[in-house]
Amino acid sequence: NAGVTQTPKFQVLKTGQSMTLQCAQDMNHNSMYWYRQDPGMGLRLIYYSASEGTTDKGEVPNGYNVSRLNKREFSLRLESAAPSQTSVYFCASNSPSGQGTYEQYFGPGTRLTVT
Amino acid sequence: AQSVTQLGSHVSVSEGALVLLRCNYSSSVPPYLFWYVQYPNQGLQLLLKYTTGATLVKGINGFEAEFKKSETSFHLTKPSAHMSDAAEYFCAVSGDNQGGKLIFGQGTELSVKP
Repeated sequence: NAGVTQTPKFQVLKTGQSMTLQCAQDMNHNSMYWYRQDPGMGLRLIYYSASEGTTDKGEVPNGYNVSRLNKREFSLRLESAAPSQTSVYFCASNSPSGQGTYEQYFGPGTRLTVT
Repeated sequence: AQSVTQLGSHVSVSEGALVLLRCNYSSSVPPYLFWYVQYPNQGLQLLLKYTTGATLVKGINGFEAEFKKSETSFHLTKPSAHMSDAAEYFCAVSGDNQGGKLIFGQGTELSVKP
């Protein structure tokens, strides 16, 4: 049982480049989330997916897009990276209904630097 | 709307001393409350949670927290700090009307001095 996995672990981009962060969970959870973590700001929600086929904006969605590919996978895309997107990105999942698993399970994170 | 305030971005204690990390929340619905720990260069790990029932909840690594509705607080404590407790700690709140989303506090970095 791997839990939540994220790839890549590290990435350096130049301004204007694009990339996709991948996330997968094997816990059969319905909901998945993307956060960014910046010093002194805690975790801020970028996008979330309450169930397969649905996505919604979180607190800081500008500059990002997401795809819920299937129940297991939820990807985050930066179309044109900016230095302000330098951050650590975390994926998480839970099942607030049905299983009643309100707590979120987190992946190990992706450290992204945009130069 | 829900929000979380963690008092103190940095807390330093001596090994063997009491650990107290403060968390206050606001919520328009009965809250679900969580404490997560993040060790350097790792993801977040659940320490403990309160959803319903007993207001004193025990978690991993000897930590516990008490839900006090009248004070809108969910402070995290550990009687005796260990060097391995040095990490960042996050308090989070959710509720039945949040669709599983968590609102996080800004985090408290705990240092443990030998």
